[in-house]
Amino acid sequence: KQEVTQIPAALSVPEGENLVLNCSFTDSAIYNLQWFRQDPGKGLTSLLLIQSSQREQTSGRLNASLDKSSGRSTLYIAASQPGDSATYLCAARSYNTDKLIFGTGTRLQVFP
Amino acid sequence: SAVISQKPSRDICQRGTSLTIQCQVDSQVTMMFWYRQQPGQSLTLIATANQGSEATYESGFVIDKFPISRPNLTFSTLTVSNMSPEDSSIYLCSVEGGGAYNEQFFGPGTRLTVL
Repeated sequence: KQEVTQIPAALSVPEGENLVLNCSFTDSAIYNLQWFRQDPGKGLTSLLLIQSSQREQTSGRLNASLDKSSGRSTLYIAASQPGDSATYLCAARSYNTDKLIFGTGTRLQVFP
Repeated sequence: SAVISQKPSRDICQRGTSLTIQCQVDSQVTMMFWYRQQPGQSLTLIATANQGSEATYESGFVIDKFPISRPNLTFSTLTVSNMSPEDSSIYLCSVEGGGAYNEQFFGPGTRLTVL
């Protein structure tokens, strides 16, 4: 059974810092892994999707990496801004279940 | 990508009543998914809805409590029946965007409060 965890649960940083959010999964037979952003009380916005054959994906200031052997993915945010404040969720889709299993999320606050 | 809308965006309901949430997608999709996000928690899949067949429910969720309709390839409804305060959550509709990578997209959610 796939289990996804995220560390840290919450993070508060000053504007301009580079930061790393961590995601761990137990079943390495994943089809893909997605990172999402959720603003308070809102739906999810897809940020990046990494296929199992890929090691990383980049979009603007965001870079996501995938290491299946260690069961980890990281989301790197460069030059953080107050507008990046949100909850970031990772979700893994396994070959076994073909369903997205969500992590617990990291609540990020970037202060000016 | 897929553009998804949900109605209502939020509602406050009395215990024992039912609420139907609508989900509309701007393109035809095979599968639609319904998730629940309880306060302070992550997302949990309720069921997968395929057009023309019964929805497939996850462990812990039953059709009597969460009946789902899927009348066509762009629309689905989720009903939360006989509500209790424990049903207070955000309910989210989701679809796969097509293409080879099964990227999943989400609607804006319906914020439900049960008194």
